[in-house]
Amino acid sequence: ETGVTQTPRHLVMGMTNKKSLKCEQHLGHNAMYWYKQSAKKPLELMFVYNFKEQTENNSVPSRFSPECPNSSHLFLHLHTLQPEDSALYLCASSQDLQVWGPGELFFGEGSRLTVL
Amino acid sequence: AQSVTQLGSHVSVSEGALVLLRCNYSSSVPPYLFWYVQYPNQGLQLLLKYTTGATLVKGINGFEAEFKKSETSFHLTKPSAHMSDAAEYFCAVSSTGRRALTFGSGTRLQVQP
Repeated sequence: ETGVTQTPRHLVMGMTNKKSLKCEQHLGHNAMYWYKQSAKKPLELMFVYNFKEQTENNSVPSRFSPECPNSSHLFLHLHTLQPEDSALYLCASSQDLQVWGPGELFFGEGSRLTVL
Repeated sequence: AQSVTQLGSHVSVSEGALVLLRCNYSSSVPPYLFWYVQYPNQGLQLLLKYTTGATLVKGINGFEAEFKKSETSFHLTKPSAHMSDAAEYFCAVSSTGRRALTFGSGTRLQVQP
């Protein structure tokens, strides 16, 4: 099993659909993250979870709804998205939150989302 | 607040030439600095990181970076480019007390034969 696995790798959805992105980490880490990667823009941090608790919501619209049932799984529920939400969504994990030191982030391969 | 500026969204070098990717950061506290690489259709992979101590940091695949506090820079170099180095490179900054990394916009490296 690779360290951080994301499914699906590609997703096309209409603006009225509801879908979910899934992330699973097999590294025994305590913190998990969602980042959005759009063309020609810096990676945008969306959400941070530590021990299943959300510790940061970076002013993300409510049409994105995260869920972290345990330290190994992270979901991003999507509903009534806009075309500008089309991007690569990257999940990452780290041993602990950065607040405790310069921990490395381990990334999944991303879920490429296209909103029609 | 922290920020990262990567000069040049695209850099092209010839195979065997020096690679220099520029990164400047802004941080009000001592920073931790990172370089990540992203190959097509893949996630980001850590190349190297600076925390404390020696300012010249060596990473994987022959890359290295030097932390220069006076210049607030953390440029990435490799003496001799290889075709397999073609990818997008991201500089990132963090510090104790921050919850997550702040990334730059990325630099796409092309290596010409």
